[in-house]
Formats: sequence, structure tokens, C-alpha cells
Amino acid sequence: AQKVTQAQTEISVVEKEDVTLDCVYETRDTTYYLFWYKQPPSGELVFLIRRNSFDEQNEISGRYSWNFQKSTSSFNFTITASQVVDSAVYFCALRLGVQGAQKLVFGQGTRLTINP
Amino acid sequence: DAGVIQSPRHEVTEMGQEVTLRCKPISGHNSLFWYRQTMMRGLELLIYFNNNVPIDDSGMPEDRFSAKMPNASFSTLKIQPSEPRDSAVYFCASSLRQGVEKLFFGSGTQLSVL
Repeated sequence: AQKVTQAQTEISVVEKEDVTLDCVYETRDTTYYLFWYKQPPSGELVFLIRRNSFDEQNEISGRYSWNFQKSTSSFNFTITASQVVDSAVYFCALRLGVQGAQKLVFGQGTRLTINP
Repeated sequence: DAGVIQSPRHEVTEMGQEVTLRCKPISGHNSLFWYRQTMMRGLELLIYFNNNVPIDDSGMPEDRFSAKMPNASFSTLKIQPSEPRDSAVYFCASSLRQGVEKLFFGSGTQLSVL
């Protein structure tokens, strides 16, 4: 079975601190895709990143970075120098690579609050 | 560019009533998804369509739920009769084509069944 675990339900930090959101996934498939989505207070989910199982390179986009480690089945997300606008619920998700199997399995989400 | 458009944004109804949620995907997108978000169960996929054809509806809770996609630019999710446990935020999402494309989500419909 496919499963995504985000053990941190809520995180609260002060602005400018770095913060890491954890994501651990389970799948027996060798081909799969991992995603992070952001859900700001307005409600809609916004795509942040997609990673396939064959690409373990870490990625950096501005203040955001992602660490993908197949050995530990983790796909963690770090925000450097956090800002109040980063406050949101963040979801990690897993999609299998089987043709036609487009189900995204989401973790429970981590509510991140950045305090001024 | 218009994103995924859902209506209504909020729906309050009484138990037993029929509820219809609407979605207009992004033009040119071939895949459409309906998700439900609750505190207890998080985000769950209810059903998805490729090229207007339902592919997997295994997430639909029960026969009270039905979804249609009569054309490439419109989909509905209907609950009849509605029950209080159906209260949730219902999201529609679309993607460019089959495969691993990212999903674009609508703003959701907040449904409250009293």
C-alpha cells in the first residue's frame, strides 16, 4: 500500500528562522513521484515541486530546498529564513508511476505558522 | 489565465437535500480530479476523469455520490441525499494530460450539511 506520513502536525517558528518539514513515504513500486503542495489560508492548493524516484538530486528554489533520500524514504522540505507569508499548511504527496494510476496520496499535512 | 473554477464557494444545506458541486477545469487540460478534505481523513481522491471518461471512482464513499463530466470544460459532483458527515471542503483539480503532470486545484467548495 502507498502511504505518506507527515509526523509534524503543527510547527511554529519566529520569522527568519529555518524550518524543515518532514515527509516519509511508503511504496513497493520502484517508479513513483513525490510532490509538495502548499495550502495558504485562502484554501487552494499550490504546487511547489515534483520529484521522480530516479532523481535523487536535491533541489533549491530561492528560500526553498528539498532533500530526497531513497535510503530512508524521505522527501523533506526546508524553508530558509522563513517569512510570515510562508504560513500555510504544507502537504507531501505520492503518486505511483503505473500508467493510468494517477492517484495522488497525500500526507496529513503540516500546519506551519511563522510569527513576526 | 483562469485557473480551475469551482462553484459555489460555500454551500449550506439540510440533511436529505441534493447538493451539486460544479467545476470548470483549465482549458486544454485532459484530466480532472475530485478530492475531499476533512480534518479526520485529510485529502482523499474521490474520482478522476481522463478525456471526460471516469477512470477510477473507487474513492467515492457510497452510492449517494455521483460525478459526471459531460464535456471537457465542465464536471459536476452530486450528493443525493446529503448527510451531515458529508460536510467537508471539496476540491476539483485538473492537469494537462495523463501522466505525472502537476495538479492545478480550484479554491474548493465548503459544504456544510446541517
